[in-house]
Amino acid sequence: DAKTTQPPSMDCAEGRAANLPCNHSTISGNEYVYWYRQIHSQGPQYIIHGLKNNETNEMASLIITEDRKSSTLILPHATLRDTAVYYCIVRVWRNFGNEKLTFGTGTRLTIIP
Amino acid sequence: ETGVTQTPRHLVMGMTNKKSLKCEQHLGHNAMYWYKQSAKKPLELMFVYNFKEQTENNSVPSRFSPECPNSSHLFLHLHTLQPEDSALYLCASSPGQVRSTNEKLFFGSGTQLSVL
Repeated sequence: DAKTTQPPSMDCAEGRAANLPCNHSTISGNEYVYWYRQIHSQGPQYIIHGLKNNETNEMASLIITEDRKSSTLILPHATLRDTAVYYCIVRVWRNFGNEKLTFGTGTRLTIIP
Repeated sequence: ETGVTQTPRHLVMGMTNKKSLKCEQHLGHNAMYWYKQSAKKPLELMFVYNFKEQTENNSVPSRFSPECPNSSHLFLHLHTLQPEDSALYLCASSPGQVRSTNEKLFFGSGTQLSVL
């Protein structure tokens, strides 16, 4: 699976949009981009995933560049509860569901009151 | 509430003790996982089970012994651990559907293990 690069930490003011970048320049055509987050002392939580189109759900939006070499996770109106470590993961779609995700060090997002 | 329950939440054990971690999922999933998260380190995949069969052992020492009696339950038996095994142990499940593009991991809250 392709490697990802994320900034180690970011701050965002409460109520503003938090934009978390991820670089995956070696991504191949059949690899999906996944985002998870981990709030302190809890298990990671799935946020969103996509292949090449932009995606939106109730938690966030995912913007993938046209060349797919980078993506941005957008939390539209950040709250204090969004303070967490955010993981960007690239994963090949496999014929049989078996989610062997490789987590990196992620981005520690701190929401400032 | 993710539908994946781990017990106990905290565990302190000596190096000669035997203990077990339990994970139960109420999501009807077919795949279950054990991950280890040491302080300030990324999550490390330990074991994967699909339909009760172990499909992945990520070079885990034999003092960690997984057991999956059915698709809803997963155990991690611990024996003669070392202090460096102190970590957060996370269980996860996923649907495990063939040809699905929607595989997601659902994690429990973990067991914080301290080995003295």
